[in-house]
Amino acid sequence: EVLLLESGGGLVQPGGSLRLSCAASGFTFSSYAMSWVRQAPGKGLEWVSAISGSGGSTYYADSVKGRFTISRDNSKSTLYLQMNSLRAEDTAVYYCAKCRSSSWLRGMDVWGQGTTVTVSS
Amino acid sequence: QSALTQPASVSGSPGQSITISCTGTSSDVGGYNYVSWYQQHPGKAPKLMIYDVSNRPSGVSNRFSGSKSGNTASLTISGLQAEDEADYYCSSYTSSSSLVFGGGTKLTVL
Repeated sequence: EVLLLESGGGLVQPGGSLRLSCAASGFTFSSYAMSWVRQAPGKGLEWVSAISGSGGSTYYADSVKGRFTISRDNSKSTLYLQMNSLRAEDTAVYYCAKCRSSSWLRGMDVWGQGTTVTVSS
Repeated sequence: QSALTQPASVSGSPGQSITISCTGTSSDVGGYNYVSWYQQHPGKAPKLMIYDVSNRPSGVSNRFSGSKSGNTASLTISGLQAEDEADYYCSSYTSSSSLVFGGGTKLTVL
């Protein structure tokens, strides 16, 4: 069974940092691009970042560019999102998602259960 | 990158068909065949329903279909069932090498 399990969410003060992790199982992790998508309370989905299977290419939404860094460790089948300079508007449930193929453009077919990040003083 | 435009809500009776539109620009929906649709039930993670405008992943009912004309993509659900009641989101690749979602549409099955 293909599974994604996020961790690392929590309460952080504005300006603080947090690192999210997403442990993958049930598929050849390095063969697939991966993405992070977030959802603020009561709001819609917002794409955050994507990374190629090798980790050599990364992509970011303008809202997080320069503050967030996506990475992956294929030896551990784990995806990461390093979040710095956090703002109140970053408060959301963060989902890790497996892309359908090595291309990150063609839909996300497996999603984790989400981890909640709250930025507040 | 502005969100794609979806109607806030649509409704239909069991057995009927409904269509949800997703309007963008030539820099996203109109420029690429990388439109996806997701279904999200309350408190749950999204589920991929359509990818590449009109393709269904394995396991998704053939009652769900997708299409595109110009800058507008559409999701059609035929033979509405109670379990189809959910939020639906479209997404598209953009010329800025990013992904943009629509604002979401709440489907109510009457």
